[in-house]
Formats: sequence, C-alpha cells, structure tokens
Amino acid sequence: GAGVSQSPSNKVTEKGKDVELRCDPISGHTALYWYRQRLGQGLEFLIYFQGNSAPDKSGLPSDRFSAERTGESVSTLTIQRTQQEDSAVYLCASSSGTGIKLAKNIQYFGAGTRLSVL
Amino acid sequence: DAKTTQPNSMESNEEEPVHLPCNHSTISGTDYIHWYRQLPSQGPEYVIHGLTSNVNNRMASLAIAEDRKSSTLILHRATLRDAAVYYCILRDNFGNEKLTFGTGTRLTIIP
Repeated sequence: GAGVSQSPSNKVTEKGKDVELRCDPISGHTALYWYRQRLGQGLEFLIYFQGNSAPDKSGLPSDRFSAERTGESVSTLTIQRTQQEDSAVYLCASSSGTGIKLAKNIQYFGAGTRLSVL
Repeated sequence: DAKTTQPNSMESNEEEPVHLPCNHSTISGTDYIHWYRQLPSQGPEYVIHGLTSNVNNRMASLAIAEDRKSSTLILHRATLRDAAVYYCILRDNFGNEKLTFGTGTRLTIIP
C-alpha cells in the first residue's frame, strides 16, 4: 500500500513569509508525528497527534509553528514569518497503535519536505 | 527515554558482515531496543526491535547482551544500499510516543 506522503518535496521561501507543509499518513494510522532535521543533525520531535486526543505540542520551537490534523487524515504544519534558522527537512511519520503496544510501535516516515528560507 | 551511545561512523567492505554497536547502560526493564536507518535524502526507516532475546528479520539481526546494557545490529552481508545513518533508540511503554534520535552511526560501504 501507499506509504506516508509529504508535499511539497522542496520549498524555497523568503524570510518573513508563511509556509504550509502537508502530510498524508498511511491509511488507518491513528498516530501522526512531525519532526525537524537540520543539516547533518538528528531528528527533533515537533508535535504528535493521536486520534481525537489533544496533540502533544511539547517540541514546537516557537509560537510561529503550529500544526493541525482533522481526524485521522491529513496534517498540515504551518510556519509563520519564516526565519533562516527554520531551514531544515521536515519529516512526517505515522503509526498504527498506542497504549500497551507503545514500546513496539513502528513509525513509518515520509521522504520529508526540504525547506529553504532565503 | 534512556540514552544510547553509538560510534559516529563505521566502514565496511561490500559483501562482508557489519556489526553496529549500541550502548545503553541505563536501560530499564520495560525498554525495547529499536533500530532505524536513514538512507541519503530519505526519511528514517524501521529496521528491527527487541526486548531480551536476539531477533532476526529479513533486513538484519539484533543481538542483545544478557544484561541488556548493550546491543549489536548485524547486517549479514552489506551491500552499497546499506550505506546510511543507523539509529539505536530505546522505547518504553510509559514514555512519550515520540522517537528520540541521537546522532547515530554513519555506515560507509566500500565497494
């Protein structure tokens, strides 16, 4: 079946503009995650959605960052008034379960959106 | 999640076995050991996970020390496609859903 799909694959924007990044999770996956990866570094957690529960926003670096998800479908990550330090690859992942299976939960990642802020 | 320690980089010859080590001396009894890898210009992909016993799947094997303070990911016959950054991650049933990635081990395969 189809994997996690992210769009656009590349985005170049000017400092101060807003951008929206999209993630289509694997069908039926209740959990969705956003991560950021700066050049040459590991992944940083941004936000996590699980079903209709309140999202875990603990990784969002500033109030310029926000994300939405409707039900168990598409999610959008919005960055307002972009800064040069926002340049990174933004990765989305989805997984199928939680609770007692948390420790075994496998996350499936998209290829990411490479954001360049000029 | 407990911390893991991996070498920054390793090299291996093509078609040879590769042993990627991971230390996790503060692992708790409920922590599972997960391995992901990230190929160039791609998102991470799941490789394998285990709790106490050694595990095998089509991609790799996971050898877990008896005291669980270390583990080794084994690629039985490396190919050029296995060149990637490999991440060792601990996950428990009571922590957050997020994966905490360290810097991983960059594996280079020599033709």
